[in-house]
Amino acid sequence: EAQVTQNPRYLITVTGKKLTVTCSQNMNHEYMSWYRQDPGLGLRQIYYSMNVEVTDKGDVPEGYKVSRKEKRNFPLILESPSPNQTSLYFCASRRQGNTGELFFGEGSRLTVL
Amino acid sequence: AQSVTQLDSQVPVFEEAPVELRCNYSSSVSVYLFWYVQYPNQGLQLLLKYLSGSTLVESINGFEAEFNKSQTSFHLRKPSVHISDTAEYFCAVSPNNAGNMLTFGGGTRLMVKP
Repeated sequence: EAQVTQNPRYLITVTGKKLTVTCSQNMNHEYMSWYRQDPGLGLRQIYYSMNVEVTDKGDVPEGYKVSRKEKRNFPLILESPSPNQTSLYFCASRRQGNTGELFFGEGSRLTVL
Repeated sequence: AQSVTQLDSQVPVFEEAPVELRCNYSSSVSVYLFWYVQYPNQGLQLLLKYLSGSTLVESINGFEAEFNKSQTSFHLRKPSVHISDTAEYFCAVSPNNAGNMLTFGGGTRLMVKP
């Protein structure tokens, strides 16, 4: 089954404790992206990657890091989480080009105390 | 750069009534347009998209959207909604050049009541 898998789905952590949210896709997609969803703001792009070893900032990259060492994986790293990073995070992937469907993971709800 | 405005954050409607979810966009270049749907506790799924050709596009579950270039709108409609249509709906635009940016609106929560 074609899917995007994120882990963990739920996490409560404390300010400053480094964490990683993993994302893996099995569709051989070149393009992968991370979004955060906040009420009334829709989805805002954090980082995206057009292929292995190619990453770029989205609209709200501050406080986040990513890496793309393998085509299928695109982890999101919060080196020193803060309460304003409490949010619902989505990983998505698609084929190269901007006409195709984005496939989303089920989301990771992060709470930073 | 582009932006997307969804004019209604919530739309309550009774089952079997018609509904329209409004979406307006601004962009300095021509765009591709999308509607995504998010059911409770799930990720987003593509509902329909406009790339070119006929300005009226349809989904498999009865939704349709019409691209209106002069009004820079892409409103989503359904003539008769079901309880199962309760979800959040997101309009999104992407420039039709070589870029990869996809910009989402703030979302509209459709609440269908029995």
